[in-house]
Amino acid sequence: TQLLEQSPQFLSIQEGENLTVYCNSSSVFSSLQWYRQEPGEGPVLLVTVVTGGEVKKLKRLTFQFGDARKDSSLHITAAQPGDTGLYLCAGARGPGGGSEKLVFGKGMKLTVNP
Amino acid sequence: DSGVTQTPKHLITATGQRVTLRCSPRSGDLSVYWYQQSLDQGLQFLIQYYNGEERAKGNILERFSAQQFPDLHSELNLSSLELGDSALYFCASSVGGWNSPLHFGNGTRLTVT
Repeated sequence: TQLLEQSPQFLSIQEGENLTVYCNSSSVFSSLQWYRQEPGEGPVLLVTVVTGGEVKKLKRLTFQFGDARKDSSLHITAAQPGDTGLYLCAGARGPGGGSEKLVFGKGMKLTVNP
Repeated sequence: DSGVTQTPKHLITATGQRVTLRCSPRSGDLSVYWYQQSLDQGLQFLIQYYNGEERAKGNILERFSAQQFPDLHSELNLSSLELGDSALYFCASSVGGWNSPLHFGNGTRLTVT
């Protein structure tokens, strides 16, 4: 059972286009982390969202945590070839959740063509 | 550079063999995590150690074991290898809190033939 579902799973777009990737769950998470992974490398943290409804911006990337803390979205404006990679969301259940481990989605593979 | 070092980068071995993957965490991080990444399953949590002790266990097979040493480096041992064990194995470290971000190494690509 995949606790975090990401959609779309694959996306190929042209430079300059906008896109949104979704991360959904039926479970409540204490926080959501977003990572980007490039080929041959490990995932690198982009942002952590903690509060329901929270919006964080990182240059052209906008992250939102759902009000109920069950879902999150990542919006990229004017995508560039350097944005190409695998985008992973990961949910943390918090200190009362019984484990410190994060639950990862399968990721969204983004290709931005010049 | 995440500060997490994994060796070897690539490993090719035959079915039935045993291998050891090594991880040096980022300086100051007490917690080490092991993940397996495959195309169909994504990143699967295997096991976590905190300051030398096992903290959490995920989908780790009985043929796999791990430990964290007093100098905080960690090893993941995979035995009786099967073709299906072929995957990327990542080590990550964190300061250890439940909400701490993970710092990943660049992984070990294991190919079982």
